[in-house]
Amino acid sequence: AQTVTQSQPEMSVQEAETVTLSCTYDTSESDYYLFWYKQPPSRQMILVIRQEAYKQQNATENRFSVNFQKAAKSFSLKISDSQLGDAAMYFCAYRFSIPVSMIYNQGGKLIFGQGTELSVKP
Amino acid sequence: DTGVSQDPRHKITKRGQNVTFRCDPISEHNRLYWYRQTLGQGPEFLTYFQNEAQLEKSRLLSDRFSAERPKGSFSTLEIQRTEQGDSAMYLCASSRRTGVDEQYFGPGTRLTVT
Repeated sequence: AQTVTQSQPEMSVQEAETVTLSCTYDTSESDYYLFWYKQPPSRQMILVIRQEAYKQQNATENRFSVNFQKAAKSFSLKISDSQLGDAAMYFCAYRFSIPVSMIYNQGGKLIFGQGTELSVKP
Repeated sequence: DTGVSQDPRHKITKRGQNVTFRCDPISEHNRLYWYRQTLGQGPEFLTYFQNEAQLEKSRLLSDRFSAERPKGSFSTLEIQRTEQGDSAMYLCASSRRTGVDEQYFGPGTRLTVT
């Protein structure tokens, strides 16, 4: 079974500094997607960044970038120039690629890690 | 694009009562997912629909839980004979089955069973 592990329950960063959130996962598949979601307090979850496993290049979205190490099954999120609005719970998530999900007769369900609560100090 | 909406946002009920939650997905999205999130944990998959067909259910979805998506539009999640262990945030997400099939989440319904 696929699992996602976030070993840092809490992280803290100074405003304008850089922070890295860790995520490891376990799967026997070679084709899948990985995501980082942000869940601000009392607000809905939003997608921060995604990575397709077949792509060797690490995904980047403005101040957010990932370090995808497929062999090590590691998928960390780097937030540069941290802002107060970055404070939130961050969840790492895994899902099958669409072809694999069809093989297993499964949909695109997301498998989430336990989350990392990020606080940003002014 | 008005986003995924859920109703109610908060529900307090007594143990043993039935509750029903509603999710309205983004209009052109044909996939709809329900997740449950307990305090301090990541969301856990409950069930998903493609159009009106319920195609996958988690073993977390006991016999007391039932979900429907009539006509492939909004969906309802009903919990019968609620237990204190049902207290959680119930999240709905929708996606369009193309490309990466990115899921968009609603604000959730927080259920408290007293």
